[in-house]
Amino acid sequence: KNEVEQSPQNLTAQEGEFITINCSYSVGISALHWLQQHPGGGIVSLFMLSSGKKKHGRLIATINIQEKHSSLHITASHPRDSAVYICAVRRQGGSEKLVFGKGTKLTVNP
Amino acid sequence: SQTIHQWPATLVQPVGSPLSLECTVEGTSNPNLYWYRQAAGRGLQLLFYSVGIGQISSEVPQNLSASRPQDRQFILSSKKLLLSDSGFYLCAWRGGSGNTIYFGEGSWLTVV
Repeated sequence: KNEVEQSPQNLTAQEGEFITINCSYSVGISALHWLQQHPGGGIVSLFMLSSGKKKHGRLIATINIQEKHSSLHITASHPRDSAVYICAVRRQGGSEKLVFGKGTKLTVNP
Repeated sequence: SQTIHQWPATLVQPVGSPLSLECTVEGTSNPNLYWYRQAAGRGLQLLFYSVGIGQISSEVPQNLSASRPQDRQFILSSKKLLLSDSGFYLCAWRGGSGNTIYFGEGSWLTVV
């Protein structure tokens, strides 16, 4: 079993819909990252969380440390949000290694 | 502001040829530097990381090597490429005082 599991693997939505992507992990972590990878391959860091909730524009990320679960929400989705969203965790203990989920491919249709 | 540059963006190399991918970071000092690979249909995998000049840690045994000749320069190399080295290579950095990680534009390598 992978240490980081994301769901769904693929997601298709209509413009304007509210979107949720889930991430569950099985190890103790010091931080969780949400990343966005565009079709060209470039990756942008969206959020880094260690507790609670963060919001940036239409994006909201939450984490529940006790349940080892995080969600990424997109409100009022737009076709330009189409990308692969990747969850990654940094293990406790000062590890330099990020453990990545396999990503969620989001397609938002106009 | 901090920026990260990675090149070349794409390359096609024959099996057995050498490889050199270069990454530089601007606007910060003493960053932690990383090389990741994303093979087709697979997630990102950490190849090497460096916490200082000349300090290289390898996460997986492979046909590749890394070097950090200067504080803000990280180089990924191979003496003889294999077909299995094909993939998307990403350089990244993380500041010592924070945990956010920043990625370069990536390099698409096809070994033929």
